[in-house]
Amino acid sequence: IVLTQSPGTLSLSPGERATLSCTASQSINSDYLAWYQQKPGQAPRLLIYGGSRRATDMPVRFSASGSGTAYTLTISSLEPEDFAVYYCHHCGSLPQTFGPGTKVEIK
Amino acid sequence: VQLAQSGGEVKQPGESLNISCKASGYKFADYWIAWVRQKPGKGLEWMGIIYPGDSDARYSPSFQGRVTFSADKSVTTAYLHWNGLQASDTAMYYCARLRIKNYAGSGSFAYWGLGTLITVSS
Repeated sequence: IVLTQSPGTLSLSPGERATLSCTASQSINSDYLAWYQQKPGQAPRLLIYGGSRRATDMPVRFSASGSGTAYTLTISSLEPEDFAVYYCHHCGSLPQTFGPGTKVEIK
Repeated sequence: VQLAQSGGEVKQPGESLNISCKASGYKFADYWIAWVRQKPGKGLEWMGIIYPGDSDARYSPSFQGRVTFSADKSVTTAYLHWNGLQASDTAMYYCARLRIKNYAGSGSFAYWGLGTLITVSS
């Protein structure tokens, strides 16, 4: 399963809403779609699992939804610490795959 | 839960290498551990996954035959091994643990090591 993410880069200002897309090459079970945040020089951090469930300690401004082949991560109001790269992850049947990432940068 | 990875390495092409991922804070045998590659400035690549309970290992087709996973329950450590490194293996390598117990190796990664940087250069 190939994951495609769009846009490649999202240029926004703090306080704005960010909408990131992840598209799968075939339908997947939303229980096995996850999102990660990665900041420069750091390991990835789990944001969302099971398609829409926030991981422990993740702020409520992060939300996700989707089904079939189309998934969305939304950051309702960007905080300075949210500028990072976001990856979707098909974590169902093996082999698992990651999307290429969306970089959210400060405009 | 902690995953402590071994330190960075600089190797020459053709050399062999083992890197390690020492787990603590949970029952090592019960949770799959994955290996993830990240080349400089690039995205995440799923290499494969191993179940320490019985050392069942599954590989991405992209990495099958190029690397070997192993796990030693006595020291709660997972390993990633290369027999002949290539310059194209230069990357950061992460180990990561599944969020929940799972018999099939599916699921998200809630715990990550800090990564091991491997540089292969002549």
